[in-house]
Amino acid sequence: QQQVKQSPQSLIVQKGGISIINCAYENTAFDYFPWYQQFPGKGPALLIAIRPDVSEKKEGRFTISFNKSAKQFSLHIMDSQPGDSATYFCAANAGNMLTFGGGTRLMVKP
Amino acid sequence: EAGVAQSPRYKIIEKRQSVAFWCNPISGHATLYWYQQILGQGPKLLIQFQNNGVVDDSQLPKDRFSAERLKGVDSTLKIQPAKLEDSAVYLCASSRGQKETQYFGPGTRLLVL
Repeated sequence: QQQVKQSPQSLIVQKGGISIINCAYENTAFDYFPWYQQFPGKGPALLIAIRPDVSEKKEGRFTISFNKSAKQFSLHIMDSQPGDSATYFCAANAGNMLTFGGGTRLMVKP
Repeated sequence: EAGVAQSPRYKIIEKRQSVAFWCNPISGHATLYWYQQILGQGPKLLIQFQNNGVVDDSQLPKDRFSAERLKGVDSTLKIQPAKLEDSAVYLCASSRGQKETQYFGPGTRLLVL
């Protein structure tokens, strides 16, 4: 079964701190790994994505680190802000199917 | 560019009733997806359309769920009869093509009593 395991389920970070969310997968057919951000009452929105031929991708304060041999990838949010408070989902694509992790509820305290 | 539109935003029904959700994708997007998001979980793909053809419906409970995308634009998802465990947010997403960025609508929150 295609699964993506995400941790932690919830995370509290002080403003200016680093938020780190981790994901692990088993299916080696996954070839695209996006991260989505979801605010209450809204649909998920693509934040940043990486392909397995790259070990790191940075966009502004958001960085994905990818470890192909360990089948793990993580999202780092630098200088976390209260506006980053949301639920974050990692996902992995195989064929035409996107499989989501369980989500991490991030709260950034002022 | 207008986003993915969904209606209704909220629906409350009793078990064994039927319900339908509507989705209007971003103009020009050939691929349309329906996801089920149970509270506290990530979205789970129910069905994927490429234009008006079904690409993947392996996770759609076909005994009670049905979906169509007539004319390759708007889509409807129907549940008949509904069960308590169908309570969830139903998200519609669209993309220019398969394997391209998916853009999600706001979802329809369904409560089955």
